[in-house]
Amino acid sequence: KQEVTQIPAALSVPEGENLVLNCSFTDSAIYNLQWFRQDPGKGLTSLLLIQSSQREQTSGRLNASLDKSSGRSTLYIAASQPGDSATYLCAVLSTNTGNQFYFGTGTSLTVIP
Amino acid sequence: EAQVTQNPRYLITVTGKKLTVTCSQNMNHEYMSWYRQDPGLGLRQIYYSMNVEVTDKGDVPEGYKVSRKEKRNFPLILESPSPNQTSLYFCASSNAERFYEQYFGPGTRLTVT
Repeated sequence: KQEVTQIPAALSVPEGENLVLNCSFTDSAIYNLQWFRQDPGKGLTSLLLIQSSQREQTSGRLNASLDKSSGRSTLYIAASQPGDSATYLCAVLSTNTGNQFYFGTGTSLTVIP
Repeated sequence: EAQVTQNPRYLITVTGKKLTVTCSQNMNHEYMSWYRQDPGLGLRQIYYSMNVEVTDKGDVPEGYKVSRKEKRNFPLILESPSPNQTSLYFCASSNAERFYEQYFGPGTRLTVT
């Protein structure tokens, strides 16, 4: 069964700092990896999707990389802002288990003004 | 506007009283899912559907039923709710054309007393 882990569970940084969030998965048979943002009590907003054949995707201050063979992805946030404070989740579509999605438990980010 | 809608958004009910949470998407997506989100456990897939009349169990299907009679709708049925089904529920949809990038509904907060 696929297991997705996100470390650290919580992170607090001063405004303006560049930061990296980590996501690891145990089974490399994935179709894609997607990063989401979730604000407290709210739904999930898609940030970036990386297909299994891709190495990275960029959107504004965000850059996500994927190393499928080692089972790792990182989300890089440049010049962090207080508005970036949220929980960040990663999810994989696992092809070995009948096309199921698996989520990590998230990293709670606080950007201090 | 492309979206996934869920109803109701909030529901308080009693043990054993059958309920249905509706989910509808207007993007012609073939893949639809239901998740529950619990503190410390993250999002877990309950059921998913690759297309009309095709449904499969996710990781936590016990106590839930689904049906997919039309492409746009994917209702979640709790035949006899119990307090351990108190949770935040999300519906999501995706399709192959967009590499199964998931779009989420706003969530349904269910409390079973």
